Amino acid sequence: EVQLLESGGGLVQPGGSLRLSCAASGFTFSSYGMSWVRQAPGRGLEWVSTISTTGSTFYADSVKGRLTISRDNSKNTLFLQMSSLRAEDTAVYYCAQTAPFYFDSWGLGTLVTVSS
Amino acid sequence: EIVMTQSPATLSVSPGERATLSCRASQSVSSNLAWYQQKPGQAPRLLMYGVSTRATGIPARFSGSGSGTEFTLTISSLQSEDFAAYYCQQYNNWPRTFGQGTKVEIK
Repeated sequence: EVQLLESGGGLVQPGGSLRLSCAASGFTFSSYGMSWVRQAPGRGLEWVSTISTTGSTFYADSVKGRLTISRDNSKNTLFLQMSSLRAEDTAVYYCAQTAPFYFDSWGLGTLVTVSS
Repeated sequence: EIVMTQSPATLSVSPGERATLSCRASQSVSSNLAWYQQKPGQAPRLLMYGVSTRATGIPARFSGSGSGTEFTLTISSLQSEDFAAYYCQQYNNWPRTFGQGTKVEIK
């Protein structure tokens, strides 16, 4: 059974940084692309970033240059390094197995709140 | 960027009735369209990909149709567990984009 467990969310001030992690199990992590999708409170889903099996990365324009996706296949873990955070980055961040173009399995999410 | 537009925003349906949800793309996405279901306080769940292929464990009362720019998700006979929000998503182009969602509520 695929399991994805996000961590690292919390309260951060505008301009601050945060690093999210997603621990994966139940599948061959290195064989799948992985993505981050976020959902602001009371709003819809917004794709944030995807990393392929070969390490190619893709970003939404709204986060390009501020958020960085990476993966450690030896630890079956996906990361999202977030910097220069803004109030509009406040959301639940989900990691999702990307199989290979749509989002097959999702974690439970971690809440990031950007506020002073 | 491809804009995905869903209609209606809210759909009020009685249990046992049929629900028809629409999704329109601002340009062709071929058959590269997925649907997700999200219940309050839960993560989204993949329902359908490639327009009409049901994901693992999704019951046959869910069906998808369409191609190009116009797509439909049909729930043939609504069960209590189907009342939720539904999102379409295109994966033909970067950036990946979602519709704003349709909430299916009990009438």
